[in-house]
Amino acid sequence: EVQLVESGGGLVQPGGSLRLSCAASGFTFSSFKMHWVRQAPGQGLEWVSYISSGGESIFYGDSVKGRFTTSRDNARNSLYLQMNSLRVEDTAIYYCAREATDICNFDYWGQGALVTVSS
Amino acid sequence: QSALTQPRSVSGSPGQSVTISCTGTSSDVGGYDFVSWYQQHPGKGPKLMIYDVTKRPSGVPDRFSGSKSGTTASLTISGLQAEDEADYHCCSYAGTSHYVFGAGTRVSVL
Repeated sequence: EVQLVESGGGLVQPGGSLRLSCAASGFTFSSFKMHWVRQAPGQGLEWVSYISSGGESIFYGDSVKGRFTTSRDNARNSLYLQMNSLRVEDTAIYYCAREATDICNFDYWGQGALVTVSS
Repeated sequence: QSALTQPRSVSGSPGQSVTISCTGTSSDVGGYDFVSWYQQHPGKGPKLMIYDVTKRPSGVPDRFSGSKSGTTASLTISGLQAEDEADYHCCSYAGTSHYVFGAGTRVSVL
């Protein structure tokens, strides 16, 4: 069974940092592209970042570029999101999602990790 | 990259059909046949319902269908059922490994 489990969420002050992890199981992690997608309270989904299966290609949405860093460790079946210079507007549930072979086909999602940025 | 435009809410009675639109630009929806739709019940994570504009993953009822015309994609739910009440989000590829979502549409079953 495919499972994605996020961890590392919590409360952080503006300007602070936080690192999210996503543990993958039930599939060959190293064969799949992965993404981070977030959802602010009461809002729609927002694409955050993409990382290729081998980690060579990484792209970010405009709102997080330069502040967030996505990485993966295929040996540990894990995906990471390092969030620096956090802002109040970064408050959201952060999901990791697997992209199937078809583009823009996010076929499995984690349960989400809540990040709250507040003083 | 601006969010795709979706109606805030749509509603219908059981058995009726409802259609949710998702409007983008020639740089996303209009430029690629890579549009997907996700269903999200309160407090839950998103679930893939449609990908590649019209394809349904295994296990998704055939009352869910997708289409696209120009820069607007659509999700139609035929034979609306109580369990279809949820939020629905569209997503489009926007080139160079960038993606854009819509703001989401609340479907209510009257």
